[in-house]
Order: sequence, then structure tokens, then C-alpha cells
Amino acid sequence: AQSVTQPDIHITVSEGASLELRCNYSYGATPYLFWYVQSPGQGLQLLLKYFSGDTLVQGIKGFEAEFKRSQSSFNLRKPSVHWSDAAEYFCAVGSAGNMLTFGGGTRLMVKP
Amino acid sequence: DTGVSQNPRHKITKRGQNVTFRCDPISEHNRLYWYRQTLGQGPEFLTYFQNEAQLEKSRLLSDRFSAERPKGSFSTLEIQRTEQGDSAMYLCASSLPRRLGNTIYFGEGSWLTVV
Repeated sequence: AQSVTQPDIHITVSEGASLELRCNYSYGATPYLFWYVQSPGQGLQLLLKYFSGDTLVQGIKGFEAEFKRSQSSFNLRKPSVHWSDAAEYFCAVGSAGNMLTFGGGTRLMVKP
Repeated sequence: DTGVSQNPRHKITKRGQNVTFRCDPISEHNRLYWYRQTLGQGPEFLTYFQNEAQLEKSRLLSDRFSAERPKGSFSTLEIQRTEQGDSAMYLCASSLPRRLGNTIYFGEGSWLTVV
């Protein structure tokens, strides 16, 4: 069965600092991997996705993620965080894109 | 707005009542999904449709839940005899699978509070 672990429930960073959110997955075949962001009371917005090819993928809002098969990881990064990035971030793994399994989420807080 | 549309956005109902949520997917997306998200948790898969056919259902989808997509366009999710444990956000999503992958787009969600 597929699963996703986001080890950090909460992360606080200062505005302008770099950010890395961790994601580890368990999946038997080549995974489809996604990062979504959710603001309070809102739906999920797709930040980026990995299907195949280049293991470093670029997304919206200046985010990027790197797929590391040997570590079963797909960590999300941003070089300089803005106050508007404060939200909850979800990593997800898909089976041929049919059913997504989500991690528990990481809540990001940004200090001024 | 060409995104996934859900309504109502918020619903408060008394325990034992029935509620229905509607989802309009992105135009031409042939797959439609329902997920449930409780506070502090990630979304959990409930069911999905390929056109009008319901192809997969999670064990989370008890017999009080029924989803339909009668013409392969919009979908409804009905919960009968609601219980307090049904309080959650119900997320709809859609996609159009392509050879290189399947990107799933979510709506804003429908909040259900059962009192």
C-alpha cells in the first residue's frame, strides 16, 4: 500500500529565509508525486508535480522539489520565504494518477 | 472561472438529516474525484468516476454515502442520516489523464458541520 510521511507537523521560518519541507513516500512502482498548498478554509492548490524525467521540478510561486528515488523522498524547497507563503502544505503520491494518498501536512508559519 | 466548482461551500445540518453536495469539474475533464478532509488531517480518498462510471470506492464510503455522475459532467455526493462524525470538508477534484501523467485539480471544498 502506498503511504506518505511528512515528519514536520509545524515549521516556523523568518521571512526571507530558505525553506525545506520534507516528504517521504512508500510506493511499489514509479510514483507520481505532488505538492499542494492549502490556505485556511480553502481547497488545495497544486504547487508542482513529478511524473518522470528531470528529478528537480519547478513549480509556481518560486517553489521547487527534488525527487530522490534512493531516499524515497520528494522534498519541497524555496530559497526565500514570503509572509504570504504561510499555509499548510501537503505532499501526495499517486498510482497512475487515480487515487492520491496524502501526508498529514506541514503547517508553515512565517515570522516577520 | 474555469476551475472546479463546489456548492454549497458551507452546510450546517442537524444529526439525522440528509445533505447533498454538488461538484462541477473543469470542462472536458473526464475523471472526477471526491475526498474528505477532517481538521488537522490530509485529504482521504472516497471515490472516483471516469465519465459516468464509478470505478473505485474507498471503504470510508459507508452505505450512507452515495455519489453519482449521471451524465459524466457534474457530480453529487449525498450523505444520508448524517452523524457528527461526518463533519468534515468534502473536496471534489477533476482531471484529464494524459500519456505523461494525470494532474488532479481540486475545488474549494464544501464544509459540513453536523450538530
